[in-house]
Amino acid sequence: DTAVSQTPKYLVTQMGNDKSIKCEQNLGHDTMYWYKQDSKKFLKIMFSYNNKELIINETVPNRFSPKSPDKAHLNLHINSLELGDSAVYFCASSSQSHRSYEQYFGPGTRLTVT
Amino acid sequence: TQLLEQSPQFLSIQEGENLTVYCNSSSVFSSLQWYRQEPGEGPVLLVTVVTGGEVKKLKRLTFQFGDARKDSSLHITAAQPGDTGLYLCAGERRDYGGATNKLIFGTGTLLAVQP
Repeated sequence: DTAVSQTPKYLVTQMGNDKSIKCEQNLGHDTMYWYKQDSKKFLKIMFSYNNKELIINETVPNRFSPKSPDKAHLNLHINSLELGDSAVYFCASSSQSHRSYEQYFGPGTRLTVT
Repeated sequence: TQLLEQSPQFLSIQEGENLTVYCNSSSVFSSLQWYRQEPGEGPVLLVTVVTGGEVKKLKRLTFQFGDARKDSSLHITAAQPGDTGLYLCAGERRDYGGATNKLIFGTGTLLAVQP
């Protein structure tokens, strides 16, 4: 059983295009996240949703727009893609009711912008 | 700004050797988590330490949280090729005016254990 799943696994597109990445979790968690991992493997949070409400919005260009249709899904739409958007994007989830915010990650989506 | 610095950045050792990875910060964290990430996969949680000075053991892995809750270390005894991967520490911090917690990830340590 896949706990946190993402689609697609790989995404190759040209500059200026608009693309979406989907994420689903079946853990019953109430909080979901999007992270970006750059070429140096540094992992940085982009957004977080709790019960479909945006609670963390780091300094991310407004070309990136997350959408949470329900607690189990958090999608990421990116407009006007740029070369610098190339990275691996990870979705994660956690339960705010737990004492420590241990996160469960999806397998990642490798985005390549040409 | 990198809040959590890991050292070393890269480590290549022979099977059977011992190693220690350090995770240092000038900030205090509510808890500290260690993850391992393999190529093409997402990070997987190994352990969470919460109390200053806490030591946790997971088979051949020993994790320690500093007394001041600003730093942590991961010690691996008798490393095996299966330990190969990217090790990430992550500090939990209260943010957004106390509205929520978030994880700040370290800079990562890439470990290669040669058979």
